[in-house]
Amino acid sequence: EDKVVQSPLSLVVHEGDTVTLNCSYEVTNFRSLLWYKQEKKAPTFLFMLTSSGIEKKSGRLSSILDKKELFSILNITATQTGDSAIYLCAVWRGATNKLIFGTGTLLAVQP
Amino acid sequence: SAVISQKPSRDICQRGTSLTIQCQVDSQVTMMFWYRQQPGQSLTLIATANQGSEATYESGFVIDKFPISRPNLTFSTLTVSNMSPEDSSIYLCSAERGGPETQYFGPGTRLLVL
Repeated sequence: EDKVVQSPLSLVVHEGDTVTLNCSYEVTNFRSLLWYKQEKKAPTFLFMLTSSGIEKKSGRLSSILDKKELFSILNITATQTGDSAIYLCAVWRGATNKLIFGTGTLLAVQP
Repeated sequence: SAVISQKPSRDICQRGTSLTIQCQVDSQVTMMFWYRQQPGQSLTLIATANQGSEATYESGFVIDKFPISRPNLTFSTLTVSNMSPEDSSIYLCSAERGGPETQYFGPGTRLLVL
């Protein structure tokens, strides 16, 4: 059975800290891995990773994929209170063209 | 990008009744999907809404419980039928133009069944 597991489930940090969120997967017909930020209701797209070892970066956020070990990490440096959200990892499964979402990591950044 | 709206944004319903949720996209899209997010859990795909034909349901979801319509390329509805408290959840619509990185989500409908 396909599964996507994220860790930790929740995390509390202080502003300025650096955090690393983890996503591991076991999905047949893997095509890509995506990261989303969910603040209130609608998840918003952050990154899509298809190739191993190539870092994607956007401001203070960066992410990388390891297709051999079947995991990805999302790094956030110099965290701000506005980074508080649920971070979702999802794997795009080919053949069926559907996203399989992970359990999510709830990040709380305290001032 | 695509702007997606959903109606209603929230509702409180009685057990045994049905609720229809509407999803409107501001432009034509190829794929539309319905997800459920139960309290404290991640998103689970209910079905793919196919334009002009029956929806494709995921394991554990059936048409009698979650009938879906998609009459055109910008609009879809999801009905939650014969509701029970276990159906209390956020229901999200999403739309995709081409590839998962172009999948956008609606604001969701928060449903509470008493």
